Amino acid sequence: GAVVSQHPSWVICKSGTSVKIECRSLDFQATTMFWYRQFPKQSLMLMATSNEGSKATYEQGVEKDKFLINHASLTLSTLTVTSAHPEDSSFYICSASGRSDTEAFFGQGTRLTVV
Amino acid sequence: GENVEQHPSTLSVQEGDSAVIKCTYSDSASNYFPWYKQELGKRPQLIIDIRSNVGEKKDQRIAVTLNKTAKHFSLHITETQPEDSAVYFCAANSNSGGSNYKLTFGKGTLLTVNP
Repeated sequence: GAVVSQHPSWVICKSGTSVKIECRSLDFQATTMFWYRQFPKQSLMLMATSNEGSKATYEQGVEKDKFLINHASLTLSTLTVTSAHPEDSSFYICSASGRSDTEAFFGQGTRLTVV
Repeated sequence: GENVEQHPSTLSVQEGDSAVIKCTYSDSASNYFPWYKQELGKRPQLIIDIRSNVGEKKDQRIAVTLNKTAKHFSLHITETQPEDSAVYFCAANSNSGGSNYKLTFGKGTLLTVNP
């Protein structure tokens, strides 16, 4: 299957700082990338959908000014957690897909810990 | 928007028995239904998917059935093995505006296969 690479795999940051997470599709052009947040033993909660060259679509309850998403090319999307707080600590995972009815491939996820 | 319900949340079976996980969805326009397996600490991996133009699909010990009229689909695992133990997620695609789409996931089922 296709490869989606997410970086970093884990990060520890201080409260008030910003953290950028990258999601790259290595061998295909991702028309759409998705960003999820996953709490321990819970489901994948969609945060936002990003389409190359346009603004991301955020799910209800997700602060777009806090979770900045950029999808500048067909192979790269970034999520920036701004002014991070301990409650933002979580597992963030991206996925990428080329079409609406084909497999979405997941990155390996990023474990964010805000101290 | 799309709402995906998944049951049961936990399922424990003896090795060799079958396991069935059921999902319902709300958006009649959904046409793609993937199932993902997530092992602890790892990314979700697609195990099987089905599109709305078929009612059943099988791949070795795994099968998925789809009833579009009732808006439900199910995952069937036969001859379960301990390595099948993981969290399983169902998902359904839906339109998120214009030509954009997203995948909505169920809450997951923790499957435990006892040796």
